[in-house]
Amino acid sequence: TQLLEQSPQFLSIQEGENLTVYCNSSSVFSSLQWYRQEPGEGPVLLVTVVTGGEVKKLKRLTFQFGDARKDSSLHITAAQPGDTGLYLCAGHLVNAGGTSYGKLTFGQGTILTVHP
Amino acid sequence: GAGVSQTPSNKVTEKGKYVELRCDPISGHTALYWYRQSLGQGPEFLIYFQGTGAADDSGLPNDRFFAVRPEGSVSTLKIQRTERGDSAVYLCASSLVPGGAGELFFGEGSRLTVL
Repeated sequence: TQLLEQSPQFLSIQEGENLTVYCNSSSVFSSLQWYRQEPGEGPVLLVTVVTGGEVKKLKRLTFQFGDARKDSSLHITAAQPGDTGLYLCAGHLVNAGGTSYGKLTFGQGTILTVHP
Repeated sequence: GAGVSQTPSNKVTEKGKYVELRCDPISGHTALYWYRQSLGQGPEFLIYFQGTGAADDSGLPNDRFFAVRPEGSVSTLKIQRTERGDSAVYLCASSLVPGGAGELFFGEGSRLTVL
């Protein structure tokens, strides 16, 4: 059972289309991060969201953290072939005492392919 | 170097052999993480260190896996009696501090193939 469920697992779209990737959990996270990974490389951080309801924009990418801090979404506007890659959400769980665990838990990823 | 360095980049071994994978984190980063990743999947947590001590090793799959960080910098992941199911890319990451909203900086990984 995945602590962080990402959907869809695969996304194949044409250049110029919009898309949304979802990251859901039944657990509360102190923060959620989105990473992008290209073949043969390690993941690279795109953004960190820490406050419930927070929205962050990075050029054509919009990230949202759910009000209850259990879910997040990544929206890409007018996708380009250069956006192709594996998108990963990751979070630090919060324990019963409200302390953030040190380890970062990843979702299973969304493989995005943008065709020219 | 400026980034996280992992060696070897590729390792092919036979079933039953012992392997060591090395990670050199970014200088000054106190937290160091090991993950395992299969093709097209998200990284699976193995262990993380805060300084020299393993703060959380809950992800190590069994006692064939062991990791050390004796001086609080370089870390080595050791796998005994390798099995074909151990084949994966082993990623190392470091961060300035663990937890919170800190960014993890990843190396390019060590690809392990067990024949």
